[in-house]
Amino acid sequence: NFMLTQPHSVSESPGKTVTISCTRSSGSIASNHVQWYQQRPGSAPIIVMYEDNQRPSGVPDRFSGSIDSSSNSASLTISGLKTEDEADYHCQSYDNNNRVFGGGTKLTVL
Amino acid sequence: QLQLQESGPGLVTPSETLSLTCTVSGGSLGSSPSYWVWIRQSPGKGLEWIGTTHYTGRAHYSPSLRGRVTISVDTSKNQFSLKMRSVTAADTAVYYCAREKWEQLLFLYFDNWGQGTLVTVSS
Repeated sequence: NFMLTQPHSVSESPGKTVTISCTRSSGSIASNHVQWYQQRPGSAPIIVMYEDNQRPSGVPDRFSGSIDSSSNSASLTISGLKTEDEADYHCQSYDNNNRVFGGGTKLTVL
Repeated sequence: QLQLQESGPGLVTPSETLSLTCTVSGGSLGSSPSYWVWIRQSPGKGLEWIGTTHYTGRAHYSPSLRGRVTISVDTSKNQFSLKMRSVTAADTAVYYCAREKWEQLLFLYFDNWGQGTLVTVSS
């Protein structure tokens, strides 16, 4: 089974752009789609990106996703940062019948 | 609007069995495609997939928990359940139930999460 590695934390100022990475330990990142979930304190996660770069309805277009085969990683980019974007972000992928989460990244908007 | 709600004891004794139930409302457990999942989050940690079940009862489990976990379905009550045997303090976590969203026979993502329930393993 593979693992997904995320930075423990990132921080950026309001109005700026931040990118959160998610690196797959084995197997190609392109083999299975990557999803991203946003989790605010005390709340359940909500989906903000699926199938690498698809935004569910209701998610602003400030959020974008991509994968990079050269680094075997996926990325979630948030532009025009707002204080409301401050949250934990979790990447997730799968392999056969298994579902795998990254360790989560705490985004601080200061 | 589909809603999920976890229920069960908030305190479990070490070596005993953790039992949780997820009640689905606003929709049928058996409406296709119907995959249902348990996910947990230890304090201050990331999310961990426990297992997924189809409404028919066919289930798949995390390799790290396989052998200790059983997920079952009761379509008559519109519920699915989690049993985790021989628990230790490391199983202390917020446990979430959710639905797997599928389209055209492909898994997309987890949606319709329950609010989560904290289970503490302690004597």
